[in-house]
Amino acid sequence: EDQVTQSPEALRLQEGESSSLNCSYTVSGLRGLFWYRQDPGKGPEFLFTLYSAGEEKEKERLKATLTKKESFLHITAPKPEDSATYLCAVQAILGGSYIPTFGRGTSLIVHP
Amino acid sequence: DGGITQSPKYLFRKEGQNVTLSCEQNLNHDAMYWYRQDPGQGLRLIYYSQIVNDFQKGDIAEGYSVSREKKESFPLTVTSAQKNPTAFYLCASSIRGGQRINYGYTFGSGTRLTVV
Repeated sequence: EDQVTQSPEALRLQEGESSSLNCSYTVSGLRGLFWYRQDPGKGPEFLFTLYSAGEEKEKERLKATLTKKESFLHITAPKPEDSATYLCAVQAILGGSYIPTFGRGTSLIVHP
Repeated sequence: DGGITQSPKYLFRKEGQNVTLSCEQNLNHDAMYWYRQDPGQGLRLIYYSQIVNDFQKGDIAEGYSVSREKKESFPLTVTSAQKNPTAFYLCASSIRGGQRINYGYTFGSGTRLTVV
């Protein structure tokens, strides 16, 4: 059975304190890994798509990387506005369709 | 601007009542999805549709029903058979599966359903 595990469940950082969030997965036929940001009471907002091991994507203070078994979301010098829940999803083939499976997310709080 | 509109934002359901959540998109996406989000549970797939007049059950379809009569619309009905419907419901869309999706899945802003 396909699984997506995110760690840690919660992370508290001081402003400027860099860290990384982890997303490990066990899927057959991976067809993409996605990172989303979700603010309380809102829908997830797309951040990155990664398809191949070794691939990296960057956006402002965020950098996503992918290996054959996991992905990392690196946050460099975070600011309080980076506080949110970060969701990882993997897309694999299910009955001929591409269906995303989500992890439970990492809740990030950045203190000023 | 293109996007997904979910309505209402808040919905209250009485015991034994069916309620319908609306999801409309103007992105010209073929595929649409419904997810349920509970605290600490992540997003769980209820139903998905890859094409008009066709839809498939997800992991937690019991107590829910959907229709896909138009490409733009994918309403979700929470029936009285769903014993624990209180949750945050999210609708999403994407270009049809099988194609490289560079921008992931687009989500609506969600509907919070509460049983009263």
